[in-house]
Amino acid sequence: GEDVEQSLFLSVREGDSSVINCTYTDSSSTYLYWYKQEPGAGLQLLTYIFSNMDMKQDQRLTVLLNKKDKHLSLRIADTQTGDSAIYFCAESIRAAGNKLTFGGGTRVLVKP
Amino acid sequence: EPEVTQTPSHQVTQMGQEVILRCVPISNHLYFYWYRQILGQKVEFLVSFYNNEISEKSEIFDDQFSVERPDGSNFTLKIRSTKLEDSAMYFCASRTDSMNTEAFFGQGTRLTVV
Repeated sequence: GEDVEQSLFLSVREGDSSVINCTYTDSSSTYLYWYKQEPGAGLQLLTYIFSNMDMKQDQRLTVLLNKKDKHLSLRIADTQTGDSAIYFCAESIRAAGNKLTFGGGTRVLVKP
Repeated sequence: EPEVTQTPSHQVTQMGQEVILRCVPISNHLYFYWYRQILGQKVEFLVSFYNNEISEKSEIFDDQFSVERPDGSNFTLKIRSTKLEDSAMYFCASRTDSMNTEAFFGQGTRLTVV
């Protein structure tokens, strides 16, 4: 079955880069996603990558996918205090109706 | 910008009572989902709904749960007889079609069973 794992916590200084890592088990994943959840808020899609891609860049966000190792990362450049949130990695499989399987979330704390 | 809206934002109910969580998906979306997040745990898939029927459900979605699209705009999750362990944040999501990459999530309803 599908399983997605993330580290629990990341602390970073404002202005530095953050790298959040995620591993998944299902090699038939079609899309991999990063969602952001701020306190008391819902899940906001940040970016996604199709499984046949290695990298995707979107402004301050860079997603790297190592399909061989089933490893996904999200790099946030020039991290700001507003980036403090929980970040969820998720995968979907087209054959499974594109339902999402989420990781446990990484809490990112940006210190001034 | 269109958004998925959920009501109420917080619901407190007594154990054994029925609750209905409401969602208004984005108007041209066809696929609807419920997820839940127990405090400190992962966001878990509950059920997907398409063409007025359940297309997939997880092991969590037992006979105590049901979903309905009563009037073409609302999408509801009913828990018949709530248990303490049903306390969680419940998220509704919708997407235009199954191949579309992005599911839009609502802000969630925090259900507290006492």
